[in-house]
Amino acid sequence: LAKTTQPISMDSYEGQEVNITCSHNNIATNDYITWYQQFPSQGPRFIIQGYKTKVTNEVASLFIPADRKSSTLSLPRVSLSDTAVYYCLVGDSGTYKYIFGTGTRLKVLA
Amino acid sequence: NAGVMQNPRHLVRRRGQEARLRCSPMKGHSHVYWYRQLPEEGLKFMVYLQKENIIDESGMPKERFSAEFPKEGPSILRIQQVVRGDSAAYFCASSHPDGNQETQYFGPGTRLLVL
Repeated sequence: LAKTTQPISMDSYEGQEVNITCSHNNIATNDYITWYQQFPSQGPRFIIQGYKTKVTNEVASLFIPADRKSSTLSLPRVSLSDTAVYYCLVGDSGTYKYIFGTGTRLKVLA
Repeated sequence: NAGVMQNPRHLVRRRGQEARLRCSPMKGHSHVYWYRQLPEEGLKFMVYLQKENIIDESGMPKERFSAEFPKEGPSILRIQQVVRGDSAAYFCASSHPDGNQETQYFGPGTRLLVL
């Protein structure tokens, strides 16, 4: 399983775009990149998943460069309710032992 | 709402008692996973079950912890003779094999406090 590295914390202001980058230098050919969001006292919530280039859904975008050694979760126009911990996970189709690091604590300020 | 359900949401036990945590997976999901989370830490994998089978319990402590996922009914994580160090949030996730990646969907968790 590829190890991931994320910033420990980030601050942003309402209405700004937030980009959280995750490094996964040892990502394997079959690995996917998945991002989860966790609010206090709640379970992680699936945000987005991708393999290469760019993936977008109604919540976020995921940018993955050609070498796939990193990925960037982009949250457009954040609001106070986006304050949470964001986890980057890497694994292949057979991966079920999700490895959650400490994640990135995003604080959105008014 | 057909999400993953866990109960109880909060559980208080005294040292030496038993704790039973229940998880009902999302409708149509046949795979269940249990994780433990200590304060300010990420989730740690404990066990992966399919109906009536334990697939991987490598993250489970060797003693006092057990898990099951019967043919009928919820998955149960049982902790016998609880100790203070068992105090944590326990999350259940479920998934359905859908090809390339089995995305796990998490429940709200059970917060266990051992007095």
